[in-house]
Amino acid sequence: DGGITQSPKYLFRKEGQNVTLSCEQNLNHDAMYWYRQDPGQGLRLIYYSQIVNDFQKGDIAEGYSVSREKKESFPLTVTSAQKNPTAFYLCASSNNRASRGYTFGSGTRLTVV
Amino acid sequence: EDKVVQSPLSLVVHEGDTVTLNCSYEVTNFRSLLWYKQEKKAPTFLFMLTSSGIEKKSGRLSSILDKKELSSILNITATQTGDSAIYLCAVNIRDDKIIFGKGTRLHILP
Repeated sequence: DGGITQSPKYLFRKEGQNVTLSCEQNLNHDAMYWYRQDPGQGLRLIYYSQIVNDFQKGDIAEGYSVSREKKESFPLTVTSAQKNPTAFYLCASSNNRASRGYTFGSGTRLTVV
Repeated sequence: EDKVVQSPLSLVVHEGDTVTLNCSYEVTNFRSLLWYKQEKKAPTFLFMLTSSGIEKKSGRLSSILDKKELSSILNITATQTGDSAIYLCAVNIRDDKIIFGKGTRLHILP
């Protein structure tokens, strides 16, 4: 079945550590996105990528980095520069017209300990 | 600045009630409005609206867009406990970008 797989589902990070969240899709979608969801804040765009080897900053990119070396994969690294990383992270993908909206992964809940 | 505003942010009703969720938007380039339901993890697609005044229906859920008022409503009739979720409204502003509202958290009491 086609879909988006995010891993891990839960992740704990110590202060000062970088962590990488995985996002893989087999929908043959060109565009991929990372969102952060906090209680009462809705979804906020971190980074997005329309094609391989290209990506753009979203509204809250500081403290995050991404890569898009393969069409299927769009990993997100939460760096130590991100001061408040505890949140729920959602990955999504779409065809470039986003005509049916996005398909979402099941999310990764990151907690700083 | 493009924005999508949903109201109420939170709503508690009893099973069997009818609810109306609101979404208004201010964007520079409107392409479509989307509604999603988020129960636990991944938001799932409900409706996409592009034309004013045409109601979309799926079972007990329906939605309509008013481009003149820059708004949309999502109605749920005869609510059930399984309708408890966060309902997200989003606007597609260009090929590669959708902006989301903060969501309405709906809780249905048995």
